[in-house]
Parts: sequence; C-alpha cells; structure tokens
Amino acid sequence: KAGVTQTPRYLIKTRGQQVTLSCSPISGHRSVSWYQQTPGQGLQFLFEYFSETQRNKGNFPGRFSGRQFSNSRSEMNVSTLELGDSALYLCASSRDGWNTEAFFGQGTRLTVV
Amino acid sequence: GQQLNQSPQSMFIQEGEDVSMNCTSSSIFNTWLWYKQDPGEGPVLLIALYKAGELTSNGRLTAQFGITRKDSFLNISASIPSDVGIYFCAGQLGNNDMRFGAGTRLTVKP
Repeated sequence: KAGVTQTPRYLIKTRGQQVTLSCSPISGHRSVSWYQQTPGQGLQFLFEYFSETQRNKGNFPGRFSGRQFSNSRSEMNVSTLELGDSALYLCASSRDGWNTEAFFGQGTRLTVV
Repeated sequence: GQQLNQSPQSMFIQEGEDVSMNCTSSSIFNTWLWYKQDPGEGPVLLIALYKAGELTSNGRLTAQFGITRKDSFLNISASIPSDVGIYFCAGQLGNNDMRFGAGTRLTVKP
C-alpha cells in the first residue's frame, strides 16, 4: 500500500510570491491535515480536511489556505510569501481523522528568499 | 492551551541502555501517538494509544497512555545505533488535529 505522497520535495520561492503544495493520502484515507515544522516553533497544526470540507483550523493567518478534492488529494496554498514561511510542510492522512492513526508524508521543504 | 511538555529535550546514551521519555499536558487528549523523525524526512508513527491506562509494545518500544489522559511515556529497551533520531509525542484532539511535543533528540553511542 503506497504511503502519503507530497510534491514537490523542495521548493525555493521569493518573498511576495505564492506557492501550492500537494498531498496524496493513503488510499482509503479521507482525512488530510497539514502541519508546519520549523526549528523554533516545532510542529504546528495548520488545518484539516475531510470529504472536501475544512473541519478544523489552527492559528495561522489567512494567507494559508487549502482544499481537498473528491479523490481526497489535498493542496495547500500560501500567498504573499514571507521569509518566516520557510519551513518543512508536512501532511498527514488518516482514515477519518477521529482517534485513528495518522501517517505523514516526507514533507515539502519550502525556502523563501 | 493544549501544549505538550516533552522531556527530556535530548539524551546521550550508550548502545544497549534503556531510554525513557515522557509527555505531559494540562489538557485531556483522546489519543496519544509517538513518532520518530529522521533528518529531512516526515515523522514515522511508532505507537498509537487510544484508551487511558493502555500499555502497548512495538518490538523494543513500549508506550503507555496515562490514566488521567494528560500524559504518556515511551520506553526504548536495549537501544541500538539506528534508534538515533528525534522522538515526538502527539496528543490528538480529533479531526486529525494533533498537538506535538518539542521532541526528544536521542543520540546512541556505539
């Protein structure tokens, strides 16, 4: 069974640009959540999608948005990039998101210059 | 808030030694999960705990879900060099919303 796939693995963008990251969950998993990981702040929850609906959202500005498609694949978008957005962005998939095991992808390393 | 306090921050041990790390919180969580992360990779799930008091093993790893649902520990027995990495606890609130500890960086000396 294939794991969680995130693309691209690495990305370099300049301040002010926007970026879209992609996550394909494990087959049969309908919940996808996104996390930002930085050395200073650790792993922080961004948002979670289930059946194409955002169910939960962390404390990030509106520049961070996402969506989920009918095949459960999810995208995350960051607009007007800032230097502080440089981080490893991880997505995790689980069957239904409620008290079930969550599996992470390898992440997308975003560098904003 | 729903912060997790994970300790210790780092450990330097000799191969063959046992390791213990724990997470505590002032909040109640529905599920506790333990992950290991290698540099440049995503966290890999080690153990998931679903019920207060639950004790679960995965090879040399053992974890417990605290009775109060506010804490959990992870033990690694007879450590080996490939145990090196950062271990994270995560408390799950539901809706795949997990709060993470800051991590325990484990170094194993051969």
